[in-house]
Amino acid sequence: GAGVSQSPSNKVTEKGKDVELRCDPISGHTALYWYRQSLGQGLEFLIYFQGNSAPDKSGLPSDRFSAERTGGSVSTLTIQRTQQEDSAVYLCASSRANKQETQYFGPGTRLLVL
Amino acid sequence: SQKIEQNSEALNIQEGKTATLTCNYTNYSPAYLQWYRQDPGRGPVFLLLIRENEKEKRKERLKVTFDTTLKQSLFHITASQPADSATYLCALWNQGGKLIFGQGTELSVKP
Repeated sequence: GAGVSQSPSNKVTEKGKDVELRCDPISGHTALYWYRQSLGQGLEFLIYFQGNSAPDKSGLPSDRFSAERTGGSVSTLTIQRTQQEDSAVYLCASSRANKQETQYFGPGTRLLVL
Repeated sequence: SQKIEQNSEALNIQEGKTATLTCNYTNYSPAYLQWYRQDPGRGPVFLLLIRENEKEKRKERLKVTFDTTLKQSLFHITASQPADSATYLCALWNQGGKLIFGQGTELSVKP
């Protein structure tokens, strides 16, 4: 079956603009995660969705970042008023119901803020 | 402070040798630890998971050890091949309910 997909694969934007990044998890996976990976750095947790529970937003770096998940499937990460330090690869992962299950990652969206 | 550290320097080895990568952590009590492989331009791919009550786990040419006293995991690739060249990430499942990643170690296997 299909893996986790993300779009766009690359995004170049100007400072101050808003961007939306999309993640399609593996069908049947109820847990969905967003991470950020800066050049040469490890993955930084941003937000976690599990079923219909309230999302864990503890990793979001500022109130310019938000995410939603519609119908328990597709998720959108929105960055408002982008800054140059937001430039990074944004990775989405999904896993089965128990969040201790292995996470399956998408290819990421490479965001460059000029 | 809580830290998870991997060798930042790239590891260069000859084909056929055993590659050993290190992951150290401080101020965590992880229930388990995972290793992922990441190729350029791709997302990480899960390789192995080892639980806190396990000392060693093997999968084909891969072996992971987990020493909760030393707070260290070692990741071994035996009979390494050029196709094993990638960045390897360790990640621990924090009791706070998040997967915490190290920064990764780049492995280069020369023919």
